[in-house]
Amino acid sequence: GDSVTQMEGPVTLSEEAFLTINCTYTATGYPSLFWYVQYPGEGLQLLLKATKADDKGSNKGFEATYRKETTSFHLEKGSVQVSDSAVYFCALSDGVTGGGNKLTFGTGTQLKVEL
Amino acid sequence: DVKVTQSSRYLVKRTGEKVFLECVQDMDHENMFWYRQDPGLGLRLIYFSYDVKMKEKGDIPEGYSVSREKKERFSLILESASTNQTSMYLCATRSTMITEAFFGQGTRLTVV
Repeated sequence: GDSVTQMEGPVTLSEEAFLTINCTYTATGYPSLFWYVQYPGEGLQLLLKATKADDKGSNKGFEATYRKETTSFHLEKGSVQVSDSAVYFCALSDGVTGGGNKLTFGTGTQLKVEL
Repeated sequence: DVKVTQSSRYLVKRTGEKVFLECVQDMDHENMFWYRQDPGLGLRLIYFSYDVKMKEKGDIPEGYSVSREKKERFSLILESASTNQTSMYLCATRSTMITEAFFGQGTRLTVV
């Protein structure tokens, strides 16, 4: 079945540092890929997405590129802020049209940014 | 904006109680999902529904059931709560026409 593997945390960075959170996936067909963010005490919010190979999703300074050849979707940000402290989830949608079309999530990576 | 509302932010229930978690969405989405979130395990799918009165088991359905009598409402039922069901429960919705899902704020359930 489908699966998502992301790097374990917690990741602790200083403000303005470069961030990479690795994500690789296993899926049949042509999945869509997502990064979700969860701030403390809240539900998940979509951060960015990519629906086909070589697409780059971007939002709020975060970027990720859909790499089919390496089955990866790594999250990057050039300069993190304290307000980026959260848990980040990589996810895929199995691309099946119609009913269902479930999302499969990685285990999440906690990011803590310090001054 | 899509709004997904879960009936409670925090719940404390006793072992053996029947527990209802409610989720309501206002965007006419066909698909609705229940996940549980546990540290180190990420989000695991319990049940989902792609239409009124339709339901399918996810990866961890044991000990749970669901009900979808109206399109906007999807209920998760713990028939007899146990301590290993202490967790964060997240409801999500998705339209068939788009790829991403939208989440509620979560219900943190503690079973004592």
